[in-house]
Amino acid sequence: AQSVSQHNHHVILSEAASLELGCNYSYGGTVNLFWYVQYPGQHLQLLLKYFSGDPLVKGIKGFEAEFIKSKFSFNLRKPSVQWSDTAEYFCAVNSPNQGGKLIFGQGTELSVKP
Amino acid sequence: GAVVSQHPSWVICKSGTSVKIECRSLDFQATTMFWYRQFPKQSLMLMATSNEGSKATYEQGVEKDKFLINHASLTLSTLTVTSAHPEDSSFYICSARNGGLSEKLFFGSGTQLSVL
Repeated sequence: AQSVSQHNHHVILSEAASLELGCNYSYGGTVNLFWYVQYPGQHLQLLLKYFSGDPLVKGIKGFEAEFIKSKFSFNLRKPSVQWSDTAEYFCAVNSPNQGGKLIFGQGTELSVKP
Repeated sequence: GAVVSQHPSWVICKSGTSVKIECRSLDFQATTMFWYRQFPKQSLMLMATSNEGSKATYEQGVEKDKFLINHASLTLSTLTVTSAHPEDSSFYICSARNGGLSEKLFFGSGTQLSVL
């Protein structure tokens, strides 16, 4: 069965530090990849997505992610975090060959200290 | 860890029929549950926010009479797609917020609805 693993459950950074959140999935076929963010008290918002093409994907708010097919990874990065980036981040994967079922990782809570 | 159970995982129905999807928080009380929909090649779209004991709050463009949401208890929310049509075919997923100190969000496994 497909699964998505986010290795970091809670990350604490100071402002201006660089961020990388890991996401690995287990599925050998074609995949679509997503990163979602949930700010405190709000619902999920899409940060970025990868369907095909350039494996380096730019998202909103300065976030980017790189799809490395050989490593089954889709890590999220940001060069310099801000206090306002404090939120929970979810990686998600679906496969167009399996009816589009979306599978989420368990989430990574990011706390940015001012 | 906390678990959210969503049933059914896959349903095929005829046009004009109604389909009920259940979302249960198995080991925590979820005062708030969210219902999302995802069409192919798109990202998740929030349909509604469901609070226990009160009417759901629907997002703009979502027909409340078509997508009936009931959150009658702290562990169960249901989404009923009434008079389903082929354009309702989509992936539906619920999530529940653990209202404890962590305020963490947990996801159901999703329901793939195909309307013929």
